Amino acid sequence: LAKTTQPISMDSYEGQEVNITCSHNNIATNDYITWYQQFPSQGPRFIIQGYKTKVTNEVASLFIPADRKSSTLSLPRVSLSDTAVYYCLVANQAGTALIFGKGTTLSVSS
Amino acid sequence: EAGVTQFPSHSVIEKGQTVTLRCDPISGHDNLYWYRRVMGKEIKFLLHFVKESKQDESGMPNNRFLAERTGGTYSTLKVQPAELEDSGVYFCASSQPGQPPYEQYFGPGTRLTVT
Repeated sequence: LAKTTQPISMDSYEGQEVNITCSHNNIATNDYITWYQQFPSQGPRFIIQGYKTKVTNEVASLFIPADRKSSTLSLPRVSLSDTAVYYCLVANQAGTALIFGKGTTLSVSS
Repeated sequence: EAGVTQFPSHSVIEKGQTVTLRCDPISGHDNLYWYRRVMGKEIKFLLHFVKESKQDESGMPNNRFLAERTGGTYSTLKVQPAELEDSGVYFCASSQPGQPPYEQYFGPGTRLTVT
């Protein structure tokens, strides 16, 4: 499975847009890109998933360039409650184990 | 709809003792996974059930760990005997066929402390 690389931490202020970029240079043709969010003392929570181009839901947007070697999770107008660890994962088969990296710790302050 | 539940939320045991963790997946979810995070490390996969069958147990660290899912409903993870390095947070997750492939629903975890 493709290894992912993302920033260890990011800081932001409330109301700003936050973009977290993940590199996955060895992504395979049938790999999907998935992002999870984890709050302290909770399990990870699925945010968004994509294969190529752009995906948007009520929580975030996911931008994937044509070569798919990276992806960017975009959180519009963050609030204090968006403070969490964000994981970028690459997986290629339904029902398979998820492989977590260190994630990006996002700290949002007022 | 109830989410994935885990019991207990926290367990403190002495080295050499036995502990059993329980996971109740979301009703109807055939896939059940166990993961754990030990101190300072990433979340690591332990094993995967499809209904009552072990689909993949490649992540189980050693034979002190035994997972069961009788009847394809809840699952237990027993550690016997527990060692200091087993301390960490144990997560359970579930999913069902037909969902987005990598959307797993995680429980809050069980924090295990071995002293």
